[in-house]
Amino acid sequence: DQQVKQNSPSLSVQEGRISILNCDYTNSMFDYFLWYKKYPAEGPTFLISISSIKDKNEDGRFTVFLNKSAKHLSLHIVPSQPGDSAVYFCAAILQGGKLIFGQGTELSVKP
Amino acid sequence: DGGITQSPKYLFRKEGQNVTLSCEQNLNHDAMYWYRQDPGQGLRLIYYSQIVNDFQKGDIAEGYSVSREKKESFPLTVTSAQKNPTAFYLCASSIAGYYGYTFGSGTRLTVV
Repeated sequence: DQQVKQNSPSLSVQEGRISILNCDYTNSMFDYFLWYKKYPAEGPTFLISISSIKDKNEDGRFTVFLNKSAKHLSLHIVPSQPGDSAVYFCAAILQGGKLIFGQGTELSVKP
Repeated sequence: DGGITQSPKYLFRKEGQNVTLSCEQNLNHDAMYWYRQDPGQGLRLIYYSQIVNDFQKGDIAEGYSVSREKKESFPLTVTSAQKNPTAFYLCASSIAGYYGYTFGSGTRLTVV
């Protein structure tokens, strides 16, 4: 039972344009969501997070949007840069629980 | 420099052998986790520990064992009972109750 789903395994974007990565979840009790970025043969690094009481959080070029009624969140990267090319994991957590990850989306930003 | 260290980076194992993956952190984090990454399946939780001398099974614990004798260390043993052990293994740690996990750089295990 996949509680956190990233239905797009890959995404290709031109440098300078916007990248939008999507994530859906099934458990309405999740109270915190995170995005991690992962390069090959390395561990994931934390990128940005959002609490379930908010609908938007922004950090530089990265913005996460949360739509609780649709159980959907998205990560916007603008402008996209070649160094953003990586696998992006969406994750969700219940209070006192553990992170549950999606399958990941591989982003490729082309110069 | 504080961090979390996994060793070795690459590991080869013959079928039928047990193998232990090391994970050490000097962040003074209470909680530690083991995840497994397979293509198209994201990161799946194997075991986690929120305090020394205590640990719980994650979603895919069968064929694995762990110990938590010290706060800094959380080794994972992949036993011969694990049917598909070839994967990328990631260790993580966090402050208890804090959602931001710090990950190690991973160990690629290959069964030959």
